[in-house]
Amino acid sequence: GENVEQHPSTLSVQEGDSAVIKCTYSDSASNYFPWYKQELGKRPQLIIDIRSNVGEKKDQRIAVTLNKTAKHFSLHITETQPEDSAVYFCAAEGAGSYQLTFGKGTKLSVIP
Amino acid sequence: GAGVSQSPRYKVAKRGQDVALRCDPISGHVSLFWYQQALGQGPEFLTYFQNEAQLDKSGLPSDRFFAERPEGSVSTLKIQRTQQEDSAVYLCASSLGPLAGPSDTQYFGPGTRLTVL
Repeated sequence: GENVEQHPSTLSVQEGDSAVIKCTYSDSASNYFPWYKQELGKRPQLIIDIRSNVGEKKDQRIAVTLNKTAKHFSLHITETQPEDSAVYFCAAEGAGSYQLTFGKGTKLSVIP
Repeated sequence: GAGVSQSPRYKVAKRGQDVALRCDPISGHVSLFWYQQALGQGPEFLTYFQNEAQLDKSGLPSDRFFAERPEGSVSTLKIQRTQQEDSAVYLCASSLGPLAGPSDTQYFGPGTRLTVL
């Protein structure tokens, strides 16, 4: 089955700096890669996603890049703000499987 | 509109008790998923429904875990003879389903935190 590795597990940045979180996946047939933000005690919330026919997608301060050849994808947050502090999860969905396989998460702390 | 809701939000059970966790998906969503999230980990897939049909239960950890969605809307995850290792947050998610096209967004509920003593 699919295996998703996520790095780093913790990340501290100064407010205004950029943050980058990287994930690799094992199933070359995977074709959908969402990123979720989860605040303490809250539900995971989708912040951005990318499909295998696209290499990069941006939404204001958030961007995701996908390299299908290398089987990795990354989340980029620019101009970080304290409210960006949370745990971020990457995930991959295999072709026709519907289920999401998640990484172990990255705890992002933005220091004011 | 209303999002995915789950009840109860917290459940404490003594080892050996049976528990039932409820999920109300977004109205009209065909697909429904259950995930288990251990402390400090990412969600792990348990089972998937398309309407009332359980199409994938490969993630259920043992035969003590049972899920149903009899009318294609509300779903219940039941755990029999709970064990301490069952302690986790159980998340439900729903999506429009395959007619919406491949890989549509899964919307998560707030989860039920189960603690087995």
